Amino acid sequence: LAKTTQPISMDSYEGQEVNITCSHNNIATNDYITWYQQFPSQGPRFIIQGYKTKVTNEVASLFIPADRKSSTLSLPRVSLSDTAVYYCLVGDRNSGNTPLVFGKGTRLSVIA
Amino acid sequence: DVKVTQSSRYLVKRTGEKVFLECVQDMDHENMFWYRQDPGLGLRLIYFSYDVKMKEKGDIPEGYSVSREKKERFSLILESASTNQTSMYLCASSPQSSNYGYTFGSGTRLTVV
Repeated sequence: LAKTTQPISMDSYEGQEVNITCSHNNIATNDYITWYQQFPSQGPRFIIQGYKTKVTNEVASLFIPADRKSSTLSLPRVSLSDTAVYYCLVGDRNSGNTPLVFGKGTRLSVIA
Repeated sequence: DVKVTQSSRYLVKRTGEKVFLECVQDMDHENMFWYRQDPGLGLRLIYFSYDVKMKEKGDIPEGYSVSREKKERFSLILESASTNQTSMYLCASSPQSSNYGYTFGSGTRLTVV
C-alpha cells in the first residue's frame, strides 16, 4: 500500500470549514483514496472514497488533484461532534487480500 | 443494522491468564481482522483471516493467536497475558470483493494487571 503522510493534529472552532491534507506521492494507478473517521472509544468508520477530482457525500468532500499525489478531506462547518481522528488510506480497493494499514491519523479537535 | 460485535467492552485480566476476545459479524463477510490501538501508535494489525480456518499474521502477532472455526466468528487469544498487552482491541470485517468496506466493532479495552 502507498505510504501516506498527514498532520498529527489540528484544532478548529465550531462552524469553520476544516481541510485535512494527505500526501501520497507513490500512489499507483489502481489505488483509491479512502478516509476513515474514529470517534473516542469507538472503531473507525468509513466516510468517503475517491479516485480523482471531487467526491461529496453527506459527511464530507474529498478533493483530489490531477496528479493524485495528495488529497484533501474537507469538513464543512464543523461541530463539536466532529472531534475525532481521521485516517487517510491509499490502496487498490479491489485487492481483498491486502489488509488496511491505518497509521496514526489526524486528531481533529473542535473547540466551542 | 449490520454489525460487528465484540463480546466485552471492558476486560481486566491477571498476568499469565489465557484471554479470549470474541468477535462476531452478521454481514456474511469473508474477511476478518484484529487490530490493537495504543496512544501515539495508531492501529496495528495483529492477525487477519480471509476464510474459515485460515489465518495470516499481521504486523505484531507475537503473544497472540487466533481461531476462525465459523465464518461469522473470529477469536483473538492471548496465550499468557502480559502487562504490555494492555490495549484497545478492535475487530473488523470486510467483504472479499472490496478491501475498503471495513466495518469495525466498538472495541474491547483490555487491562492486564
